[in-house]
Amino acid sequence: DAGVIQSPRHEVTEMGQEVTLRCKPISGHNSLFWYRQTMMRGLELLIYFNNNVPIDDSGMPEDRFSAKMPNASFSTLKIQPSEPRDSAVYFCASSPAQGVGETQYFGPGTRLLVL
Amino acid sequence: GENVEQHPSTLSVQEGDSAVIKCTYSDSASNYFPWYKQELGKGPQLIIDIRSNVGEKKDQRIAVTLNKTAKHFSLHITETQPEDSAVYFCAASHSGTYKYIFGTGTRLKVLA
Repeated sequence: DAGVIQSPRHEVTEMGQEVTLRCKPISGHNSLFWYRQTMMRGLELLIYFNNNVPIDDSGMPEDRFSAKMPNASFSTLKIQPSEPRDSAVYFCASSPAQGVGETQYFGPGTRLLVL
Repeated sequence: GENVEQHPSTLSVQEGDSAVIKCTYSDSASNYFPWYKQELGKGPQLIIDIRSNVGEKKDQRIAVTLNKTAKHFSLHITETQPEDSAVYFCAASHSGTYKYIFGTGTRLKVLA
């Protein structure tokens, strides 16, 4: 199994630009999570999808952030416009079934730097 | 609100010694406790987990213990090796939710 795949692994952009992060969950997993990790705030859950449907987006910081899951094997997290405070490592994780009380498997992350 | 406290924040041990990291949770409904290891530049990787119906689980040099009464659980690494150096995160969850409550992490350094 290839595990959770994320791209790009690193992204450097200028303030105001649009950023799109991509995730391919583990095949057969029905739940997908987007997290953000910073030194100050640790791991924060941004949004949770189950069967491609957004269930909980209460962690999405602002309207500048949006996430989609058009099918079971692909999800995107978009930031438009990006700001320096968005600099962080963004992780995608997937889990079997509804993810309830189940193990979450993390991808390698995308390290984002907004100048 | 729900939280998980993790201690210590940093831990240095000599190669071959044991390391213990402790976590305390607040939600008494929690019944699933995974531990993740995060190496520099990588994503968190599950190393061991425990459910509330058992008090201890072992996997080679790694063990986790759970005390539901006291609401705390611990990670034990024996015969530490330099490759054990990483940041370790505990988390708590329960069967009624998909949310993990993560601890703040412990940076373990194994000195050769």
